Amino acid sequence: DVHLVQSGAEVRKPGASVKLSCKFSSSTLTDYYIHWIQQAPGMGLEWMGLIDPQDGETLYAEKFQGRLTITADTSTDTAYMELSSLRSEDTAVYFCTAEKVVPPAPGPRWFDPWGQGSLVTVSS
Amino acid sequence: DIVMTQSPDSLAVSLGERATINCKSSQSVFSSSNSKNYLAWYQQKLGQPPKLLIYWASTRESGVPDRFSGSGSATDFTLTISSLQAEDVAVYYCQQYYGTPRTFGQGTKVEVK
Repeated sequence: DVHLVQSGAEVRKPGASVKLSCKFSSSTLTDYYIHWIQQAPGMGLEWMGLIDPQDGETLYAEKFQGRLTITADTSTDTAYMELSSLRSEDTAVYFCTAEKVVPPAPGPRWFDPWGQGSLVTVSS
Repeated sequence: DIVMTQSPDSLAVSLGERATINCKSSQSVFSSSNSKNYLAWYQQKLGQPPKLLIYWASTRESGVPDRFSGSGSATDFTLTISSLQAEDVAVYYCQQYYGTPRTFGQGTKVEVK
């Protein structure tokens, strides 16, 4: 089974940036698209964006365009999410999750597995 | 964007009774090319990440108890817990993967009456 292990909690001041990591337990990063999901306190799940580690192609939700950068390092089987110009509304738990790519005709699939989540607190 | 709307927002069910959660999409998530509905259900317990329960609208993930079932097609879907157990207390989300951005319902909180 593939497991995703995320980096720990972070505290940042408004205007700063944060970079979170998501490590695959096995060398299978390129078998998946990696997505990042935001969950504000007491709220639902919001899709932020995705990366195809095979070619580095990314797609971002309009809400996060210009502030969000998702990258992947296939040599360490780790994906990263960097959010800049932080504001208090960015206080949330951030999850990475994976969508398996199934050749020969990879179409959209569900999210599984999920990382344990990383809490980011933005406070002055 | 495809908007996913769940109902109710919360429900309280007695142990052993049936719980039913509805999910409606703003446009069809059915693909005629493979006759599949691009709809998944997740369970999120307090302090935990979401867990996949159902995909293709009705296919139960391996290891998920058979009291969980999914049904529906096109724009209207249902998650049913046939006999609620104490460990089923959680928030349940539907999610479409037909289009990008991927979108979730707002969640339905299930509690024990």
